[in-house]
Amino acid sequence: GENVEQHPSTLSVQEGDSAVIKCTYSDSASNYFPWYKQELGKGPQLIIDIRSNVGEKKDQRIAVTLNKTAKHFSLHITETQPEDSAVYFCAASRGDSGNQFYFGTGTSLTVIP
Amino acid sequence: GAVVSQHPSWVICKSGTSVKIECRSLDFQATTMFWYRQFPKQSLMLMATSNEGSKATYEQGVEKDKFLINHASLTLSTLTVTSAHPEDSSFYICSADLQGDGQPQHFGDGTRLSIL
Repeated sequence: GENVEQHPSTLSVQEGDSAVIKCTYSDSASNYFPWYKQELGKGPQLIIDIRSNVGEKKDQRIAVTLNKTAKHFSLHITETQPEDSAVYFCAASRGDSGNQFYFGTGTSLTVIP
Repeated sequence: GAVVSQHPSWVICKSGTSVKIECRSLDFQATTMFWYRQFPKQSLMLMATSNEGSKATYEQGVEKDKFLINHASLTLSTLTVTSAHPEDSSFYICSADLQGDGQPQHFGDGTRLSIL
């Protein structure tokens, strides 16, 4: 089955700096890679996703890159703000109907004002 | 706004009680919903895949008789924790397949279950 690893587990950055979270996956059939932000006591919220036919996707301060050959993908947050503080999860799936997500172990991001 | 509504958000009950959690898709039909369990500071663990009109598919190690799932309509799935015990205390989260292509993108806000 799929195995998704995520690093780092915790990350502290100064406000305005960039934050990078990295994930690797094992199943070459995985073709859909979403990133979720989870605030305390809330469910995960989708912030960006990427499919295997794309190498990079950007949405304002958030970007995701995918390297299919190396089986890794990364989340980049630029100009971080205190409200970016949360736990971030990466996930991988094959994208077929009913297929499950395999989640990374999460990264607790703290943005220091 | 939220596209998946989960209720209740928090429930406390005595050991031995059965607890029902509802997951509703708002403004769209969800053929497939997913139920997850999350322990503090840990990742989401898939418990089961809920398919409208058919039996749920449970992940290995999840007791079917303990965690009853019903997906009777295209907008509602329920998870019932039967005869709950303190070790069942956890954060339960559902998600629904918004685009109908097998890629659940929207999660409910979770239900915190505390069994005394």
